[in-house]
Amino acid sequence: GQNIDQPTEMTATEGAIVQINCTYQTSGFNGLFWYQQHAGEAPTFLSYNVLDGLEEKGRFSSFLSRSKGYSYLLLKELQMKDSASYLCAVMDSNYQLIWGAGTKLIIKP
Amino acid sequence: DADVTQTPRNRITKTGKRIMLECSQTKGHDRMYWYRQDPGLGLRLIYYSFDVKDINKGEISDGYSVSRQAQAKFSLSLESAIPNQTALYFCATSDLRTGETGELFFGEGSRLTVL
Repeated sequence: GQNIDQPTEMTATEGAIVQINCTYQTSGFNGLFWYQQHAGEAPTFLSYNVLDGLEEKGRFSSFLSRSKGYSYLLLKELQMKDSASYLCAVMDSNYQLIWGAGTKLIIKP
Repeated sequence: DADVTQTPRNRITKTGKRIMLECSQTKGHDRMYWYRQDPGLGLRLIYYSFDVKDINKGEISDGYSVSRQAQAKFSLSLESAIPNQTALYFCATSDLRTGETGELFFGEGSRLTVL
């Protein structure tokens, strides 16, 4: 079966750096997405990786290793507004998105 | 105005009632989706449509039906609502034409409570 694993919850301190990991087993691979979702709101797109390596976008970076079935989202200079859930999703060979359950990130002052 | 609009945003109803959630989009995307989200379970796909004449079941389609009235409109119906359909429902669109990633664009969500 297809599976996406990510930690349920993480806690970090304002101003610090946090890395959220995602491992996947899917039928084929056509890209990996990271979304941010604040409580009760819609998910919003953060990043897309289809080739191995690091994609940097401001304070957020996303890394992909297709051979290991592994990705991480790196958040730098954490701000209180970064408190949210972070969803990892993989597009399989049928171009369907397989979603992880999300990682709830709690930022403490 | 939002590119993907859902109505209603909140609805409280009783067991056995018929409910329709509507979704419209101005992005010109062919692909539309309905998801439900429950705490701790992430997003689960109910139905999806790749064009007006194409409707497909997702992983949790039982108890739901959909209608793709036009490219821009995709509605979700609960023929006889039950309490375990209480959830946050999202409509989404995507575009997989050449050069596009297939990123999903979400509506603001419809919170449904079935008593």
